[in-house]
Amino acid sequence: NAGVMQNPRHLVRRRGQEARLRCSPMKGHSHVYWYRQLPEEGLKFMVYLQKENIIDESGMPKERFSAEFPKEGPSILRIQQVVRGDSAAYFCASSPTPSNPANYGYTFGSGTRLTVV
Amino acid sequence: AQSVAQPEDQVNVAEGNPLTVKCTYSVSGNPYLFWYVQYPNRGLQFLLKYITGDNLVKGSYGFEAEFNKSQTSFHLKKPSALVSDSALYFCANQGGKLIFGQGTELSVKP
Repeated sequence: NAGVMQNPRHLVRRRGQEARLRCSPMKGHSHVYWYRQLPEEGLKFMVYLQKENIIDESGMPKERFSAEFPKEGPSILRIQQVVRGDSAAYFCASSPTPSNPANYGYTFGSGTRLTVV
Repeated sequence: AQSVAQPEDQVNVAEGNPLTVKCTYSVSGNPYLFWYVQYPNRGLQFLLKYITGDNLVKGSYGFEAEFNKSQTSFHLKKPSALVSDSALYFCANQGGKLIFGQGTELSVKP
């Protein structure tokens, strides 16, 4: 049973380009969460999605950032017109339905390290 | 509103000595607390969690944590540190989503 798969592991983009980060949750998990880890900072929540629905996007920057989790395929975090300040590690996590406390806690992917040059 | 705090940016311990990484929380309702570890250039690995039940929780790699409701703390402990325990440790609370503390860099020296 593969864990949470993120690709690419490393992504280099020039300023102004678009970055697309992919996350395939664990088999049987229908909830996906994206976090950003800036250098020398902790993990900051960005967005929580279920299939075809955004549940909580309170951590998403208002502009240039978007996320989706389609019915088929991986979840995508999209950053348009990247700037140097977007350079960070982006982690995806997945969980089964969180309504049962026994299911609390996520499985994390290994992350995508975005470098904007 | 909920928050998790890790008051120490860095903890230094000699190998073989006990280690403690501190975490305090502020949540409305019941806390659901977690510890994760992050090795360099890797993702987060789950160590242990407190949902309900015994206040002393045992987890992976010999780590344990004690939930203290009166002090609103959930400190991570290990009786005898190893050099390989050197990593970044995160405490978190789940209230709809995981909210992390700022992380504590643990350095274990031989």
